[in-house]
Amino acid sequence: AQSVTQPDIHITVSEGASLELRCNYSYGATPYLFWYVQSPGQGLQLLLKYFSGDTLVQGIKGFEAEFKRSQSSFNLRKPSVHWSDAAEYFCAVGGGDYKLSFGAGTTVTVRA
Amino acid sequence: SQTIHQWPATLVQPVGSPLSLECTVEGTSNPNLYWYRQAAGRGLQLLFYSVGIGQISSEVPQNLSASRPQDRQFILSSKKLLLSDSGFYLCAWTPPGLAGYEQYFGPGTRLTVT
Repeated sequence: AQSVTQPDIHITVSEGASLELRCNYSYGATPYLFWYVQSPGQGLQLLLKYFSGDTLVQGIKGFEAEFKRSQSSFNLRKPSVHWSDAAEYFCAVGGGDYKLSFGAGTTVTVRA
Repeated sequence: SQTIHQWPATLVQPVGSPLSLECTVEGTSNPNLYWYRQAAGRGLQLLFYSVGIGQISSEVPQNLSASRPQDRQFILSSKKLLLSDSGFYLCAWTPPGLAGYEQYFGPGTRLTVT
């Protein structure tokens, strides 16, 4: 069975600074990997996905993520954070059995 | 384009009362459908998923049940709510046949059991 670990529960970053959120997965084959964002009281919005090919994936809102098979990681990055990026971020892994496994989430606070 | 709806948006129910949450998807046929619960400060817990009408898989034994009476309708129910049923309930869908592909989420229902 697949699983995801997001080591950071909460990250605080200054507006305009860079952001990196960590995600480690466990899966025996090539995984499908996703990052979602959730604003308070809202559903989850897909930021980006990795299925195969180029290991650097571009997403919406200026986010990107890099798949590193050797490290079983899929870290999310943004070069310059905006106040509107304050939200909770979830990493997820899928393996072809109709289900996704989600990490516990990382809450991002943006300070002025 | 596809749209997913959930209602109600918020619900306050007493312990022991019944529950019915509805999820409907528009703009696609035979989607895979999912119910998740998100408790305060926790991640997403998959409750049920369905790959077709009348086909329900339960992930966690509990006080809840799910049904899929129509192709694009997914209902979450309970006969008697518990305090522990409080949480944020999310419905999601994927296109048919794309196991493991990205899921698209609805806006959620906030349930408070008092």
